[in-house]
Amino acid sequence: DTEVTQTPKHLVMGMTNKKSLKCEQHMGHRAMYWYKQKAKKPPELMFVYSYEKLSINESVPSRFSPECPNSSLLNLHLHALQPEDSALYLCASSQGGKGLDNEQFFGPGTRLTVL
Amino acid sequence: DAKTTQPPSMDCAEGRAANLPCNHSTISGNEYVYWYRQIHSQGPQYIIHGLKNNETNEMASLIITEDRKSSTLILPHATLRDTAVYYCIVRALNYGGATNKLIFGTGTLLAVQP
Repeated sequence: DTEVTQTPKHLVMGMTNKKSLKCEQHMGHRAMYWYKQKAKKPPELMFVYSYEKLSINESVPSRFSPECPNSSLLNLHLHALQPEDSALYLCASSQGGKGLDNEQFFGPGTRLTVL
Repeated sequence: DAKTTQPPSMDCAEGRAANLPCNHSTISGNEYVYWYRQIHSQGPQYIIHGLKNNETNEMASLIITEDRKSSTLILPHATLRDTAVYYCIVRALNYGGATNKLIFGTGTLLAVQP
């Protein structure tokens, strides 16, 4: 199984809502990532988890809160978002650990619209 | 990580080879060249990577110049399904550290024409 799954596929939320994005992989990967992609722009890294610990936060606003409850799951909790946060949110995973880490596997993304 | 420069768009006829160039003149000795592509409304997909030798896999070939300042991704027989944005990324290979950063540039939109 070389698949990264993301739910939901689409999400519409108001600025006062609290919602969560979910990502799952069963490849035994120990590194997981969140990227944000605005329309017609390249993906931008938000967070990196390595062995369930947050290792990189690319100065992301606190209204985005990542969580890695176990090695297969990655969540992104959303609270008090702004309309400019509307984007495609991509999750990825890679082998991580003490070995060659060549390839990141990406999920299909969650398209988020903030009203 | 070194920056890359790619043409914003290219066309290719179906069945012909697509040659996508990438300039990375500030690449360091320990940095690899990676290629990913993103088909519309999908997540990016890894294609190939290399250090200094030419590489080939079932998807594509990667040709890196001897001075490593540029490279070309070759899709030998492009199909309509190869229409996508192709990203050339330069980064050091991770050996267990916590710096698995992919920094995407603007990429090249390859349009395969019937």
